[in-house]
Amino acid sequence: NAGVTQTPKFRILKIGQSMTLQCTQDMNHNYMYWYRQDPGMGLKLIYYSVGAGITDKGEVPNGYNVSRSTTEDFPLRLELAAPSQTSVYFCATSHHEQYFGPGTRLTVT
Amino acid sequence: GESVGLHLPTLSVQEGDNSIINCAYSNSASDYFIWYKQESGKGPQFIIDIRSNMDKRQGQRVTVLLNKTVKHLSLQIAATQPGDSAVYFCAVLGGGSQGNLIFGKGTKLSVKP
Repeated sequence: NAGVTQTPKFRILKIGQSMTLQCTQDMNHNYMYWYRQDPGMGLKLIYYSVGAGITDKGEVPNGYNVSRSTTEDFPLRLELAAPSQTSVYFCATSHHEQYFGPGTRLTVT
Repeated sequence: GESVGLHLPTLSVQEGDNSIINCAYSNSASDYFIWYKQESGKGPQFIIDIRSNMDKRQGQRVTVLLNKTVKHLSLQIAATQPGDSAVYFCAVLGGGSQGNLIFGKGTKLSVKP
């Protein structure tokens, strides 16, 4: 039982490049979330999903897109990377409390 | 909208002492509160939660207190150990939706041996 896994662990992007952050869970949870965490700050919700085929915007969705074609996977897409998207990204799932993945550290230069 | 703030960004305690980390929230309608622990380089880890119909909940060495009158939440750690060193976040469920969890900025707890 791996819980919540995220890939990659680290990535450096050039401005304007695109990438997909992967998140997979094996806990059969319906709810999944993407957060970003800037240095010295708490987590801010980017997008969330209450089940396969359903996604909703969180507090800071601009510059990101998500999809939820299966219960297990919830990828986060950056289409045109900007320096302001330099952050650590956490995926989470929940049944009651939220379980977090180990994070992806992204730098955009 | 909801906002969540922590009273102290850092807290240093002696090993064996009790630690108290405080948090304030703005929305009196908030009904679910969670404390998370985040160790360096890792994702947040659930510690304990409490619903608004309770004012105290205890776990193993941890207690969460909720004062709805002043919209204040605290986490008490008994007999603090070096392994407790981490950043602690309170989070509040806002808007009645499970997708709308609002995090505070965190308190960094350092335990001196």
